[in-house]
Amino acid sequence: EAQVTQNPRYLITVTGKKLTVTCSQNMNHEYMSWYRQDPGLGLRQIYYSMNVEVTDKGDVPEGYKVSRKEKRNFPLILESPSPNQTSLYFCASIGPGFQGYTFGSGTRLTVV
Amino acid sequence: AQSVAQPEDQVNVAEGNPLTVKCTYSVSGNPYLFWYVQYPNRGLQFLLKYITGDNLVKGSYGFEAEFNKSQTSFHLKKPSALVSDSALYFCAVRGGNFNKFYFGSGTKLNVKP
Repeated sequence: EAQVTQNPRYLITVTGKKLTVTCSQNMNHEYMSWYRQDPGLGLRQIYYSMNVEVTDKGDVPEGYKVSRKEKRNFPLILESPSPNQTSLYFCASIGPGFQGYTFGSGTRLTVV
Repeated sequence: AQSVAQPEDQVNVAEGNPLTVKCTYSVSGNPYLFWYVQYPNRGLQFLLKYITGDNLVKGSYGFEAEFNKSQTSFHLKKPSALVSDSALYFCAVRGGNFNKFYFGSGTKLNVKP
């Protein structure tokens, strides 16, 4: 089944403790992206990647890092999480021709 | 600046009635426009897209959307609403920098029996 897999689904952490949210897709998509969803703000793009070793900032990249060492994986790294990064995070990939995104199921992160 | 606006936080409609969820956009160049639906505790699902061609685009679950270039709008429609259509709907546009996507704030659709 074609899918984007994110882990974990839920995460509660403390301020300053580094964490990684993993994302993997099995569709051989070149383009991958991370979003955060906050009430009233919709989805905001954090980072995107056009291909292996090619990443670029979205609209809200501060406090986040990404890497794309393999085509299928696109982890999101929070080096020093803060409470304002409490949010629902989605990873997504998109295939050739920029048709519709395939989204992961989301990661609900709480930073206390 | 690229942006998407969904002017209604919530739309209420009775089952069997037509529904419209509104979306307007601002983007340089020709827009790529999308609609997604999000059910509770789920990721977003792709409904339909407009890239070029006919202004009326048909998508999944009986939804369609009309692209209006002069009004910079891309409203989502369905002739007869179902209770199961109740969900959160997002409009999105691929921006002038074709690598970036912009989402609206979402519209909650409530379909009552």
